[in-house]
Amino acid sequence: DIVMTQSPDSLAVSLGERATINCKSSQSVLYSDNNKNYLAWYQQRPGQPPKVLITWASTRESGVPDRFSGSGSGTDFTLTISSLQAEDVAVYYCHQYYGTPLTFGQGTKVEIK
Amino acid sequence: EVQLVESGGGLVQPGGSLRLSCAASGFSLGNYWMSWVRQAPGKGLEWVANIKEDGSEKNYMNSVRGRFSISRDNAENSLYLQMNSLRAEDTAIYYCARDRYCNAAGCFWRWLAPWGQGTLVTVSS
Repeated sequence: DIVMTQSPDSLAVSLGERATINCKSSQSVLYSDNNKNYLAWYQQRPGQPPKVLITWASTRESGVPDRFSGSGSGTDFTLTISSLQAEDVAVYYCHQYYGTPLTFGQGTKVEIK
Repeated sequence: EVQLVESGGGLVQPGGSLRLSCAASGFSLGNYWMSWVRQAPGKGLEWVANIKEDGSEKNYMNSVRGRFSISRDNAENSLYLQMNSLRAEDTAIYYCARDRYCNAAGCFWRWLAPWGQGTLVTVSS
């Protein structure tokens, strides 16, 4: 199984400041045939299902604000919120879809400082 | 609009059974693998099972294999999860989610999206 480990477990950031979440996979999720990283980021607000923000490690989904960005390759990935807004308070998960079983990071809770 | 709606959750005693349903609309179910993912209260996301677009292949997480059974009816645009021998640790919100996309060229791994709103399963005496 591919184990996904996020850091930190939680972070508090002031409005307008940057938030950075890291995700490390126990094996590479980069598929050599197409040079794509099978890694997505989700946002889950309280009482809501997860919503996908980023796919292929760095492709922002349609409608997602451009303050959200993803980077990384292989086993190390980062989700950055460039200027935290109140509506960004949520838990964020990384997810690998490279292999079965599909796995998720444990989640990172983002709060306002 | 692509939409998934789960139903069938509730309170069940340990050792009991429950059948969850997921109604799909706005897309052709027969072109996608489908997954069930659960989330225990206050915990993270845990993939449970998935099923090939034609139902010919099924995968399960270790702790539910032999107790849970995933199935689908593409003509009815529905996905199911039969849960038997339920345990307290199965208590969670269960979400259905769209998985891999398939066409004549093959199946393509993709992220899980969209997700339904979920249905709560509580296993308790």
